[in-house]
Amino acid sequence: KAGVTQTPRYLIKTRGQQVTLSCSPISGHRSVSWYQQTPGQGLQFLFEYFSETQRNKGNFPGRFSGRQFSNSRSEMNVSTLELGDSALYLCASSLTSPYNEQFFGPGTRLTVL
Amino acid sequence: GQQVMQIPQYQHVQEGEDFTTYCNSSTTLSNIQWYKQRPGGHPVFLIQLVKSGEVKKQKRLTFQFGEAKKNSSLHITATQTTDVGTYFCAGPAGTASKLTFGTGTRLQVTL
Repeated sequence: KAGVTQTPRYLIKTRGQQVTLSCSPISGHRSVSWYQQTPGQGLQFLFEYFSETQRNKGNFPGRFSGRQFSNSRSEMNVSTLELGDSALYLCASSLTSPYNEQFFGPGTRLTVL
Repeated sequence: GQQVMQIPQYQHVQEGEDFTTYCNSSTTLSNIQWYKQRPGGHPVFLIQLVKSGEVKKQKRLTFQFGEAKKNSSLHITATQTTDVGTYFCAGPAGTASKLTFGTGTRLQVTL
C-alpha cells in the first residue's frame, strides 16, 4: 500500500507570492489534515477535510486555504506569502478522522525569501 | 483553546539509560496518541490509548494514560541510539476532526 505523498518536497518563494501544495492520501483514507511545523511553534493544526468538506480549521489567517477533491486528494494554498510562513507543511491521512491513527506524508519544506 | 504541554523539552541520555516524557492537557481527552519524528523525517504513529489508567507496552516503550484522562507518559527502558527523535503526544480537541499536538520532547542518545 503506497503511503501519503506530498508534492513538491521543497519550494522557495518570495514574499507576496502564492503557493499551492498537494497531498495524496493513502488509498481508502477519506480524512486529510494539514499541519504547519516550525521550530518555535511545533506542530500547528491548519485544517481537516473529509468528503470534500472542511470539518475543522485552526487559528490561521484567511491567507491559508485548502480543498479536497472527490478522490480524497487535497491541496492547500497560501496567498500573499510572508517570511513567517517558512515552515514544513505536513499532510496526514486517516480512514475517517484524526481521532484514529494518522499517517503523515514526508512534508513540503517551504522557504519564503 | 486546548493546550497540550510536554516536559521536558529536551533530554540527552547515555545509551542504556531510561527516559520518560510527560504530556499534560488543559482539557480531558477522549484518547491520546503518541508519535515519533526522527530528525529530518515526519511523525510516525506509535500508539493510541483510550481508557482511563490504561497502560500499553511496545518492547522497551511503556505508555500510560492518566486516570483523569488529562495526562499521559511515555517511558523508554534502556535507550538505544535508534530512539533518537522527537516524541509528540496528541489528542482530539473536543472534536474528532481536530488533533492538538503536544509541544514535543526531543531525545538525544549518545554512546
